[in-house]
Amino acid sequence: NAGVMQNPRHLVRRRGQEARLRCSPMKGHSHVYWYRQLPEEGLKFMVYLQKENIIDESGMPKERFSAEFPKEGPSILRIQQVVRGDSAAYFCASSPPTSRLPPRTDTQYFGPGTRLTVL
Amino acid sequence: DQQVKQNSPSLSVQEGRISILNCDYTNSMFDYFLWYKKYPAEGPTFLISISSIKDKNEDGRFTVFLNKSAKHLSLHIVPSQPGDSAVYFCAASANPTGANSKLTFGKGITLSVRP
Repeated sequence: NAGVMQNPRHLVRRRGQEARLRCSPMKGHSHVYWYRQLPEEGLKFMVYLQKENIIDESGMPKERFSAEFPKEGPSILRIQQVVRGDSAAYFCASSPPTSRLPPRTDTQYFGPGTRLTVL
Repeated sequence: DQQVKQNSPSLSVQEGRISILNCDYTNSMFDYFLWYKKYPAEGPTFLISISSIKDKNEDGRFTVFLNKSAKHLSLHIVPSQPGDSAVYFCAASANPTGANSKLTFGKGITLSVRP
């Protein structure tokens, strides 16, 4: 049972270019989450998606960042016109749906991450 | 506003002894708590979780304790092994509507287990 897959593992971009990060969830998982980790920090939530729907984008910067999870294919996190401050590790996680009654079942499992470096 | 706090940035213990990693939270809506272990250049690996209806959950060498009144949880690793050396993140989520929701992470604790 393959885990969460992310590619590329490392991505180098020059300022002003676009970055596309891909995430394939674990088999049977229909919920995808993106997190960003800056140096010396914990992971910060960015966006939560289900197939063809954005459920929660409260952590997404207002400009330049977008995410999608199409009916077919991986989830994509897209960063337009990258700046040096976008350099970070971007992690994708997936989970099954939770149960409405305790205990929770929506444990999130993480991929290996994409390390974005903006020159 | 740091809703999940791991106030000790690092911990060093002797192999074979107990490691106790602490975590505090401020949001009373959190009802699910998780611990992740992370090695450099890898993604977080899920270790153990606990629902707010419980006060203890055990899985092998790992036990998580939850004190809701104090808004405090701890991860106990016993016996500690050198391979446990990693960064440990505490995370929490709220589920007021019965739907999946985001995780809020602490900043992590670096555990070093000395041989």
